[in-house]
Amino acid sequence: DIVMTQSPDSLAVSLGARATINCKSSQSVLYSSNNKTYLGWYQQKPGQPPKLLIYWASTRQSGVPDRFSGSGSGTDFTLTISGLQAEDAAVYYCQQYYSSPRSFGQGTKLEI
Amino acid sequence: QVQLVESGGGLVKPGGSLRLSCAASGFTFSDYYMSWIRQAPGKGLEWVSYISSSGGIFYADSVKGRFIISRDNAKNSLFLQMNSLRAEDTAVYYCARDSSLAYWGQGTLVTVSP
Repeated sequence: DIVMTQSPDSLAVSLGARATINCKSSQSVLYSSNNKTYLGWYQQKPGQPPKLLIYWASTRQSGVPDRFSGSGSGTDFTLTISGLQAEDAAVYYCQQYYSSPRSFGQGTKLEI
Repeated sequence: QVQLVESGGGLVKPGGSLRLSCAASGFTFSDYYMSWIRQAPGKGLEWVSYISSSGGIFYADSVKGRFIISRDNAKNSLFLQMNSLRAEDTAVYYCARDSSLAYWGQGTLVTVSP
């Protein structure tokens, strides 16, 4: 089973600044036959379901502001949020959909 | 627009059963991979099960042998039959579309308590 580990568990960043959240998988989530990385990033605000921000590790979901970006390959991934806004306060999760069972990181709480 | 609406949650005693439903609309349901994910109160996300468009099924070890996922493409619905429920199954249960979980429902709360 693939274990996903996020860091840090929480962070506080000022309005307008940049936040960086890391996610590490216990094995590669790159499928070599199609060169796709099976990694997603999700944002969850209190009382709401999670929302997909990034898929294939770096493709922004439709409607997601371009201040959200995903990067990384193999086993190490990063979600970067630039120009932080108050509404970005949330818990962020990574998830691998490369193999079953699927698995999420433990979450990173972002405070503004 | 894509819409997923879960129902069927509630309070059940340990050892009891519950059947969750997820009504889908706004897309061709039969074409898509569907998943159940749960979130215990104040905790993170836990993937529970998926069923592919062709009927392939997988379960998390924590629910294997107790939960059964199914789908009715004619009714655009996803189901989760939950048996032998335990206190640790208490959670909000979400259905989601795609392997990348692109769309989520609002969730339904399952509480397992005497």
